[in-house]
Amino acid sequence: KAGVTQTPRYLIKTRGQQVTLSCSPISGHRSVSWYQQTPGQGLQFLFEYFSETQRNKGNFPGRFSGRQFSNSRSEMNVSTLELGDSALYLCASSEDHRAGELFFGEGSRLTVL
Amino acid sequence: AQKITQTQPGMFVQEKEAVTLDCTYDTSDQSYGLFWYKQPSSGEMIFLIYQGSYDEQNATEGRYSLNFQKARKSANLVISASQLGDSAMYFCAMRERAAGANNLFFGTGTRLTVIP
Repeated sequence: KAGVTQTPRYLIKTRGQQVTLSCSPISGHRSVSWYQQTPGQGLQFLFEYFSETQRNKGNFPGRFSGRQFSNSRSEMNVSTLELGDSALYLCASSEDHRAGELFFGEGSRLTVL
Repeated sequence: AQKITQTQPGMFVQEKEAVTLDCTYDTSDQSYGLFWYKQPSSGEMIFLIYQGSYDEQNATEGRYSLNFQKARKSANLVISASQLGDSAMYFCAMRERAAGANNLFFGTGTRLTVIP
């Protein structure tokens, strides 16, 4: 069974641009959550989607948004990029949004210049 | 207060020996889950082991076991027979049922180095 797939793996943007990251969960998983990892703040929860509905959102500005499609694939978007948005963005999937194991992808490493 | 505390920024272990990575957690929720992940330099977060708060037996997965002490609110990871490939960052994380979602709180991590 294929794991969680994230694209692109690496990308470089400049301040003010926007970026879209994609995540394909493990087959059969309906919950997709996103995390930001930076050296200073560590791993922080961005948001979670289950059955195309956002279930929870972390403490991030409105520039960070996401969505989930009917096939459970998810995208997150960051608009008006700032230098501080440089980070590893990790997507995770699970069968259920309330219990059980949570599996992560390899991440998308975003650099903002 | 921190939800997850990992007090060991770095640990060293001799190859083939066992090592324990510490994790304490703070929650008032009765239902929660505890996770351990390994993150090599490549960046991916590799799931190692999961323990539910109502699980009576300690979770085990191959060379990994979770020493769950509910009253002490600790969830230490034990790696037996360490291998060179075990060198990585290790993160402890918790999901609270009350959050109603896969909102994991992560610790700051422990960097494990296995010495040949």
